[in-house]
Amino acid sequence: GESVGLHLPTLSVQEGDNSIINCAYSNSASDYFIWYKQESGKGPQFIIDIRSNMDKRQGQRVTVLLNKTVKHLSLQIAATQPGDSAVYFCAERSNQAGTALIFGKGTTLSVSS
Amino acid sequence: NAGVTQTPKFRILKIGQSMTLQCTQDMNHNYMYWYRQDPGMGLKLIYYSVGAGITDKGEVPNGYNVSRSTTEDFPLRLELAAPSQTSVYFCASSSTSGLAGGSSYNEQFFGPGTRLTVL
Repeated sequence: GESVGLHLPTLSVQEGDNSIINCAYSNSASDYFIWYKQESGKGPQFIIDIRSNMDKRQGQRVTVLLNKTVKHLSLQIAATQPGDSAVYFCAERSNQAGTALIFGKGTTLSVSS
Repeated sequence: NAGVTQTPKFRILKIGQSMTLQCTQDMNHNYMYWYRQDPGMGLKLIYYSVGAGITDKGEVPNGYNVSRSTTEDFPLRLELAAPSQTSVYFCASSSTSGLAGGSSYNEQFFGPGTRLTVL
C-alpha cells in the first residue's frame, strides 16, 4: 500500500546549524510532494512543494530534494532558528482515486540556542 | 481574510452523542477537506468536497458525514460518537485540486483544529 514515512521522529540541532529532515515514500506514481510545518496547537502550514519532474526546489532558507530512484524526499533548512522548532510533515499526492494528500508521521525539530 | 476558521476549539463528548464541527473559509476556494490527526501520526483524509453540493469519501469516512451547501462552509457531522473518534480534526481548503491527477500546484490552507475527546 501507499505510505509516506519519515526516517527519524525527532531531530535536535543548535541554532545556526543546517537541518535535514528526511522522508521515504512508497508510491512511485505519486506526482507531487509537499512539506508542511506544524507548530504546537496549530494547523499545518505549507512550506514548499515539488513536482515529480523536478529534483530540487529552493525557497527562502529551505530546499527540497527529490530522489525518485530511491523514493526519497528531504527538506533542508539553512541556518536553523528557534522559530523553526515544530513538527515537519512530508505529504505526497498519490494516483489513487479519491485521495488527497497522504501524510507521513512527522519529525519533531527542536532548535536550541 | 480570516482564512479557514473552525469551531469549537475543544469538545468533550460522551459515547453515543452527536455533534457538528464547523468549518468556514473566506478565500472562495472550491476544494475543501476534513482530516483527522491522531497522536504522533500524520493527517488522514475523512471527506472532501470539490465544490458546493459535491462531497466524497476519503480514506477514513466511517462514522462521519458532511455537507457542502455553500462554497464557504463544510461542516463535519459525528452521529454516534465513539472513543475511536478521539482526535484532532483539521479542515483545509485550496483553490486547486489536491486530488489524484489534480493541479501541479496545491497549497492547502488549514484551520487551527478542533480537539475532540470521546469518553
